[in-house]
This record gives sequence, structure tokens and C-alpha cells, in this order.
Amino acid sequence: GAVVSQHPSRVICKSGTSVKIECRSLDFQATTMFWYRQFPKQSLMLMATSNEGSKATYEQGVEKDKFLINHASLTLSTLTVTSAHPEDSSFYICSARDTGPGNTIYFGEGSWLTVV
Amino acid sequence: AQSVTQLDSQVPVFEEAPVELRCNYSSSVSVYLFWYVQYPNQGLQLLLKYLSGSTLVESINGFEAEFNKSQTSFHLRKPSVHISDTAEYFCAVSEQGGSEKLVFGKGTKLTVNP
Repeated sequence: GAVVSQHPSRVICKSGTSVKIECRSLDFQATTMFWYRQFPKQSLMLMATSNEGSKATYEQGVEKDKFLINHASLTLSTLTVTSAHPEDSSFYICSARDTGPGNTIYFGEGSWLTVV
Repeated sequence: AQSVTQLDSQVPVFEEAPVELRCNYSSSVSVYLFWYVQYPNQGLQLLLKYLSGSTLVESINGFEAEFNKSQTSFHLRKPSVHISDTAEYFCAVSEQGGSEKLVFGKGTKLTVNP
């Protein structure tokens, strides 16, 4: 079946630095990818919709200058957390829609970000 | 806008017992419905989905869910659970013909005890 891969799965960075998380659709093309954030023991909250070749659409309350999203190709979207702070520590998950039969949205394995 | 309510945050059951995880949704338009499972420290895996057609949908590992439009529900059931079913289960909806954004419930932690 379709696979979405995220990298890195875990990353620790120092406060004030930036970190990039990649989301790849491995065997299908995705014009649209989604980035979610999940706090411990809570549900997923949509951060933004990543559109190939155009600007991302951010949800209300999400700082677009802090969470930079780039969807440079049909198989890759990146999320860059700029000037990270400890409160940015979270589980970040991306998803992509397979436009083939079934019209299914697949999720990546998630990336744990810890800011120290 | 859509919203999803999962009434039970935690459901403990014994192995081989039946289980039902409840999901209700609210939407002013027609929706697609999904159940995802999340094992510890992992991403989400699609368990099953309702797009159209038969209101009863099944997964390959014995789970089933039934779309009830009048009750705006999409409860997940399994007649006999295994220890390996222990996980967090999320119900989600997306708007038909919309932006494909998924709106998630808060999740139900299913714990299967021996």
C-alpha cells in the first residue's frame, strides 16, 4: 500500500535553533500534504495544509513565520520549526492524500521534537 | 465546520471480550468518516473508512464500523479483542468535496488485559 515517510523520527535541538522535518510520499504523488501536531495524550491538531508549488494554508493560531512549510515537489513537503523553544516540543505528523482508487489519506510515522 | 466527539477517553477490556468505541460527529455537510489506530510512539494507521455505499465497513483485522446518518455516529466494534489491539483509536471526518482536512476526535485509549 501507499507509504508516507517522515524524517527524522526523533530530533533534539537547542533552544533558538531551527530544525527541519521531511515528509515524503514514497509510491504516489501528493499535491496536498497536511501537517499535524500532537501533544501527549491528546488528539491531532491540524497546523497547515501544504500545497505543491504554492504557499501553505495555515490554521488559525499557527504562526506561519515560525512553522515554515515548503512543498517543493509532488513527493516532498518540509516543516521547519524556526527559533525553536521548549514549548515547541511535540509530536509532528504529516499526511498525504493518494489520489488513486480509494482516495485515502496516509500518515507518516511522526517525528518527535524535543527542544532543550 | 465539523467536530468529532469520542465519548470514552479510556476503555479497558479483557482479552476475547467484545468492544465498542463510540464516535459521534457534527457537520452541516456530508462527510467521509475514518478510524485510525496509533500504537505507542508511532504515527497513525488507517483502520477503516466510510466514503459511500454500504454503511457497514470492515477492516482486515476484525474491526467494523457502521455509519448511522440519523444518529450521526460511526462506532467502532470488534467481537473479540486481542492483547495486540491495545492502542489509541481516533475517529476522524472530512468534508465531502472539501479541502480534505481531517478533523479528529480526542481519541480513545483501548487497553486489552489478559
